[in-house]
Amino acid sequence: NAGVMQNPRHLVRRRGQEARLRCSPMKGHSHVYWYRQLPEEGLKFMVYLQKENIIDESGMPKERFSAEFPKEGPSILRIQQVVRGDSAAYFCASSPLAGENTIYFGEGSWLTVV
Amino acid sequence: SQQGEEDPQALSIQEGENATMNCSYKTSINNLQWYRQNSGRGLVHLILIRSNEREKHSGRLRVTLDTSKKSSSLLITASRAADTASYFCATDTDKLIFGTGTRLQVFP
Repeated sequence: NAGVMQNPRHLVRRRGQEARLRCSPMKGHSHVYWYRQLPEEGLKFMVYLQKENIIDESGMPKERFSAEFPKEGPSILRIQQVVRGDSAAYFCASSPLAGENTIYFGEGSWLTVV
Repeated sequence: SQQGEEDPQALSIQEGENATMNCSYKTSINNLQWYRQNSGRGLVHLILIRSNEREKHSGRLRVTLDTSKKSSSLLITASRAADTASYFCATDTDKLIFGTGTRLQVFP
């Protein structure tokens, strides 16, 4: 049973470009969470999605960031017009049920904006 | 705002010693979890303790929870160099909210 798969692992973008980060949850998991981690800091919650629904986006910046989890395919975190401050590690996690015990993390996508 | 705050921020010990990390949180919880993160890697789940539990063990890990004080501790006994990592507590409602982490360094 493959774990949570994130790609790309590393992404370099110039200021103003778009970044797309993908996350395939564990098999059988219908809940996906995105977190952002700045260097030497903890994980900050961004958004929680179920298939085709955004459940909680209270941690998402108001502009330039969006997330989706379509019926088919991976969850996508999209950052438009990236700025240097977007440089961070973005982690995806999945769980079978909301508030259910453990959530399982991917290895992260490291975004560097130059 | 962050739910959990770990203390200390950084801890350095020798192999064989015990490491204790503390976590405080602000609101009522369903359960509290501890995760480990090696540098440049994702988070690995270590242990979950429910709000009605006071202590839990898993191998060399011992977790306590005091809901009256809104605090938890993680004890790693007989530490090894391979335990070097950052450790985070996380509290949950419908999503996990993480603390700022404790960076543990175990010297051989």
